[in-house]
Amino acid sequence: SQTIHQWPATLVQPVGSPLSLECTVEGTSNPNLYWYRQAAGRGLQLLFYSVGIGQISSEVPQNLSASRPQDRQFILSSKKLLLSDSGFYLCAWSTETQYFGPGTRLLVL
Amino acid sequence: ILNVEQSPQSLHVQEGDSTNFTCSFPSSNFYALHWYRWETAKSPEALFVMTLNGDEKKKGRISATLNTKEGYSYLYIKGSQPEDSATYLCGGSGGSNYKLTFGKGTLLTVNP
Repeated sequence: SQTIHQWPATLVQPVGSPLSLECTVEGTSNPNLYWYRQAAGRGLQLLFYSVGIGQISSEVPQNLSASRPQDRQFILSSKKLLLSDSGFYLCAWSTETQYFGPGTRLLVL
Repeated sequence: ILNVEQSPQSLHVQEGDSTNFTCSFPSSNFYALHWYRWETAKSPEALFVMTLNGDEKKKGRISATLNTKEGYSYLYIKGSQPEDSATYLCGGSGGSNYKLTFGKGTLLTVNP
């Protein structure tokens, strides 16, 4: 069966510090992968999606970037965090349905 | 990108009540409609995926319908229980890359 992992579960970072969130999927090959964010009081927003290794599509202009160095690994990064980057970050993979990971709660102070 | 709207934003019902909420989306450029159940501190759980006009899906006490011509989907919960309390998310895709645009969700609270 397929599983999706995210880490860390919770992160508190100072403004201006770098960020790296990791997502890995097991039990499937060549999945579509997604990064979403839910900011406080807002809906779930798609940030990036990837249909294959090295292929990244950005949905909204922002302070973040994504990379897919391996088939089942998706990384969300920032060089310098902003206060507005705080939120709940979800990774997902899909066939017909999207399956979400456990999420990372990021607080930027 | 689809513009997906959900209503109401929040809903309080008593245990045993039946309830429903709405998801609306543009009827043009529609591919699929997804419903998720999202409990606090957990990841969203897929409930239904619907693609065809008139689709009806059921899972226990929860069911959903789809009208692609007028651009809406209803989610119904029969005999609500406290464990049904969660945010119910609706997401639409406009193509086969499975990229979803989500509404802001309906927060359901079922009081015992």
